[in-house]
Amino acid sequence: AQSVTQLGSHVSVSEGALVLLRCNYSSSVPPYLFWYVQYPNQGLQLLLKYTTGATLVKGINGFEAEFKKSETSFHLTKPSAHMSDAAEYFCAVTFTAGTALIFGKGTTLSVSS
Amino acid sequence: KAGVTQTPRYLIKTRGQQVTLSCSPISGHRSVSWYQQTPGQGLQFLFEYFSETQRNKGNFPGRFSGRQFSNSRSEMNVSTLELGDSALYLCASSEAPSGGGNEQFFGPGTRLTVL
Repeated sequence: AQSVTQLGSHVSVSEGALVLLRCNYSSSVPPYLFWYVQYPNQGLQLLLKYTTGATLVKGINGFEAEFKKSETSFHLTKPSAHMSDAAEYFCAVTFTAGTALIFGKGTTLSVSS
Repeated sequence: KAGVTQTPRYLIKTRGQQVTLSCSPISGHRSVSWYQQTPGQGLQFLFEYFSETQRNKGNFPGRFSGRQFSNSRSEMNVSTLELGDSALYLCASSEAPSGGGNEQFFGPGTRLTVL
């Protein structure tokens, strides 16, 4: 069955430190991968997505992610955390047209000064 | 362009009642998907409508239903509410049906509390 696993429900970093949020997927067909961010009392905002082509994807707010097929991973990184990055982050996957988004359980990122 | 709007933002109901939630997609978007978000189960797909037709349905009981109008606005109905239906209900719209890398744009959600 197709699924998404986010390792670590809560990640804490200091301001200026590297942010690494992990996402692994399970699929027998090529995936389309997404990272969304959710701030309190708001909906989800797309950070970046991988469809085809370049495996290193750059998104908004300085985030990027690399698709590694051999590791079935799509980890999200940001070189230097900012206080405003504190939020919940969701990795999601979909497949061919007509398939719904499947979300991971989410990772809450805390940033301390 | 205005974003996805959902009404109401907050709702309190009692067990056994029914509720209708509304979603207005971004202008020009013909696909609307609904998701339920709870602390325990996370984000779960309810159903998707495209051009007034239900294209996909998640694993939810028949108490959960939806529809889409000719202007692409969508409503979601939950009948015979249970305590476990308390959740944030998110609506997302896109130009094309979900899948294949199409981006979905999310609304702020409706927070439903069942007492």
